[in-house]
Amino acid sequence: GESVGLHLPTLSVQEGDNSIINCAYSNSASDYFIWYKQESGKGPQFIIDIRSNMDKRQGQRVTVLLNKTVKHLSLQIAATQPGDSAVYFCAENNAGNMLTFGGGTRLMVKP
Amino acid sequence: NAGVTQTPKFQVLKTGQSMTLQCAQDMNHEYMSWYRQDPGMGLRLIHYSVGAGITDQGEVPNGYNVSRSTTEDFPLRLLSAAPSQTSVYFCASRKQGPRNSGNTIYFGEGSWLTVV
Repeated sequence: GESVGLHLPTLSVQEGDNSIINCAYSNSASDYFIWYKQESGKGPQFIIDIRSNMDKRQGQRVTVLLNKTVKHLSLQIAATQPGDSAVYFCAENNAGNMLTFGGGTRLMVKP
Repeated sequence: NAGVTQTPKFQVLKTGQSMTLQCAQDMNHEYMSWYRQDPGMGLRLIHYSVGAGITDQGEVPNGYNVSRSTTEDFPLRLLSAAPSQTSVYFCASRKQGPRNSGNTIYFGEGSWLTVV
């Protein structure tokens, strides 16, 4: 079936470096994507979203890139900080206005 | 500023027992949903509701029941708990509106359920 998934289960970066977290999706009809951050013991927290009519969207220290040709989504975090350590999920907003999540990538920031 | 409130936070059940996870939101959101998250995995949709009196199945509905008698509450019932239902459960709510409004999807803090 259609799914949203991630390439890397764990990403370790040095504090101050940029982080790139990737996500592959298989439903070519998907038209809206969201990145969530989940800290240990907490629920998912919205980071940024993007619609399929866009290739790039920027927030504060975060950028989401969408490549519809290869069905690939990425989250870039600039100047990664220890507080960025968490699990990051991409999600597709499905027809029922609920979410289908990928498997998650754990980001570990080394001081 | 309550948002989405889930109870209990932690629960241990014996196989075959029943229980209800409570979820309440005070934001007058039309959409509510329940997800489960297994270790090292993403969230999977169990059931959802687009308004009072309306519920529908998600990806993994077996073993769970829901009801939506009010806008505020969306309880999740386990009728006969099984070890496979050991997981973390998240309730979420969202306003009715355009699909490009992800920042209106609110999650509860989670309920940790262990079935022994």
